[in-house]
Amino acid sequence: DTEVTQTPKHLVMGMTNKKSLKCEQHMGHRAMYWYKQKAKKPPELMFVYSYEKLSINESVPSRFSPECPNSSLLNLHLHALQPEDSALYLCASALWTGSNSPLHFGNGTRLTVT
Amino acid sequence: DAKTTQPNSMESNEEEPVHLPCNHSTISGTDYIHWYRQLPSQGPEYVIHGLTSNVNNRMASLAIAEDRKSSTLILHRATLRDAAVYYCILGNDYKLSFGAGTTVTVRA
Repeated sequence: DTEVTQTPKHLVMGMTNKKSLKCEQHMGHRAMYWYKQKAKKPPELMFVYSYEKLSINESVPSRFSPECPNSSLLNLHLHALQPEDSALYLCASALWTGSNSPLHFGNGTRLTVT
Repeated sequence: DAKTTQPNSMESNEEEPVHLPCNHSTISGTDYIHWYRQLPSQGPEYVIHGLTSNVNNRMASLAIAEDRKSSTLILHRATLRDAAVYYCILGNDYKLSFGAGTTVTVRA
């Protein structure tokens, strides 16, 4: 079991649906991350939050909308996705965003867009 | 972003050491060297990280070259549970960008 909990584990959605992915940690970490991972590829950074403020957006399309309501919770709102957005979405947290702070990952949400 | 180069794959026998190399010739002075591994159907798992000196923890050892342009992750006694993709990553402020990684296979 990991200390970063992601829900749901699996999600199937149509291109017109709106859904949200949820990530939670209770380790007191102040940095939170979203990564996207396609099959047999490395994870790709999408967003970084530091102290509940968006620090990095890696030019992610606006159909992905992150939200950090508090220091323990990170959401990813999905709207009008395309089939190519099907992937494993990974959440991670760290004590802070400095390069000396290891990331703790959840096991991801497997998203399929139909 | 500074990049890393790793072999695509490595094989090892169970209970033998595994040495995973990583080249990072464009590393900057403030980049930490991180290693993560990803088992099938799981998220990446932190293994070890360091800046200049060699590091040891319960999972592995990290040997960093004096010029910091390369490093080696050492798994002292491989087990079947160590079969995974191992990623060597340079940690720059705010970012940990993954490269392609090394797929490690452990033979019983």
